[in-house]
Amino acid sequence: EVQLVESGGGLVQPGRSLKLSCAASGFTFSNYYMAWVRQAPKKGLEWVATISTSGSRTYYPDSVKGRFTISRDNAKSSLYLQMNSLKSEDTATYYCARHVRQLDYWGQGVMVTVSS
Amino acid sequence: DIQMTQSPASLSASLEEIVTITCQASQDIGNWLSWYQQKPGKSPQLLIYGATSLADGVPSRFSGSRSGTQYSLKISRLQVEDIGIYYCLQAYSAPWTFGGGTKLELK
Repeated sequence: EVQLVESGGGLVQPGRSLKLSCAASGFTFSNYYMAWVRQAPKKGLEWVATISTSGSRTYYPDSVKGRFTISRDNAKSSLYLQMNSLKSEDTATYYCARHVRQLDYWGQGVMVTVSS
Repeated sequence: DIQMTQSPASLSASLEEIVTITCQASQDIGNWLSWYQQKPGKSPQLLIYGATSLADGVPSRFSGSRSGTQYSLKISRLQVEDIGIYYCLQAYSAPWTFGGGTKLELK
């Protein structure tokens, strides 16, 4: 059974950093692209980042480019999202997902609140 | 960037009714379109991929279709468990973009 479990969320002040983790199991992690998707409170879904199988290629929308960094550790079957210079508009639930063109499996999500 | 215009934003329907939700892509995206269902307080779940293929475990009352750059999700006989918010996603090119969502309620 595919499982994705996010962790690392919480309350953080504007301008500070936070690192999210996603532990994957039930599939060969190193064979799949992975992604982060976020959802602000009462809002729609926004794709945040995608990483290739080896980690050599990463993709971001303009809204987070230069502030967020996606990475992975295939030996640990883990995905990460380093978020720097956080803004109030980054407040959201962050989901990790397996990215095979479509997003076929999602984690339960982790809440990040950016507030002073 | 490719824009995905989803309609309607909200929809109220009766049990057993046929429901259709559409997404209009701002340019050709081929069949790189998927649909997701999000129930209250839950993560999104994949329903349809490749515009028309049903994801594993999804009831056959769900179907997807394409006409040019317009994509549709159809629920043939609405059930109580289908209530939630539906999103489309284009995976043709980065930045990958979601539609704005359709909130489906029971009449």
